[in-house]
Amino acid sequence: DAKTTQPTSMDCAEGRAANLPCNHSTISGNEYVYWYRQIHSQGPQYIIHGLKNNETNEMASLIITEDRKSSTLILPHATLRDTAVYYCIVRPLNRDDKIIFGKGTRLHILP
Amino acid sequence: NAGVTQTPKFQVLKTGQSMTLQCAQDMNHEYMSWYRQDPGMGLRLIHYSVGAGITDQGEVPNGYNVSRSTTEDFPLRLLSAAPSQTSVYFCATNLMGRSYEQYFGPGTRLTVT
Repeated sequence: DAKTTQPTSMDCAEGRAANLPCNHSTISGNEYVYWYRQIHSQGPQYIIHGLKNNETNEMASLIITEDRKSSTLILPHATLRDTAVYYCIVRPLNRDDKIIFGKGTRLHILP
Repeated sequence: NAGVTQTPKFQVLKTGQSMTLQCAQDMNHEYMSWYRQDPGMGLRLIHYSVGAGITDQGEVPNGYNVSRSTTEDFPLRLLSAAPSQTSVYFCATNLMGRSYEQYFGPGTRLTVT
């Protein structure tokens, strides 16, 4: 799986959009970008995934650059409950073996 | 529909003791896996299974055994606990073909003294 690079931590004011970047310069053509988050003391939670088009669901939006070497997860109106560690993962879509989580980005939502 | 359940929630063991962490799911998912998470670190895969009777090793399998006799259950066994196995353990499941959408259990916090 392609390697990903994320900032260690970020702050965002409550009510503002939180933009979490992820670099994946070695991504290959069949690899998707996935995002998970982990709220303190809970198991990780799937957020969204995409290949090359921008994606949106009820939780977030995913913007992938045209060359697919980086992406941004956007939480449009961050709340205190969005404080969590966010993991960016790159892997083929239907490969049913292990998912490797990196260290992620610790997002602090500030009141 | 309980989803993914893990028992116990907390456990303290002495070095050398053995125990089994339980994971059960009622979603009929074929794929199940175990992760451990240590302070300040991400999740590390221990073992996984793509179906009943099939298991394989992840990144950090040493000191742990697994078996998968049914679709619903995927127990993790520590044969001789060591302080290095102090961690939070998460079980996860997903439908085959939907590995991007894993469902995680609430975790078991294990301390080995």
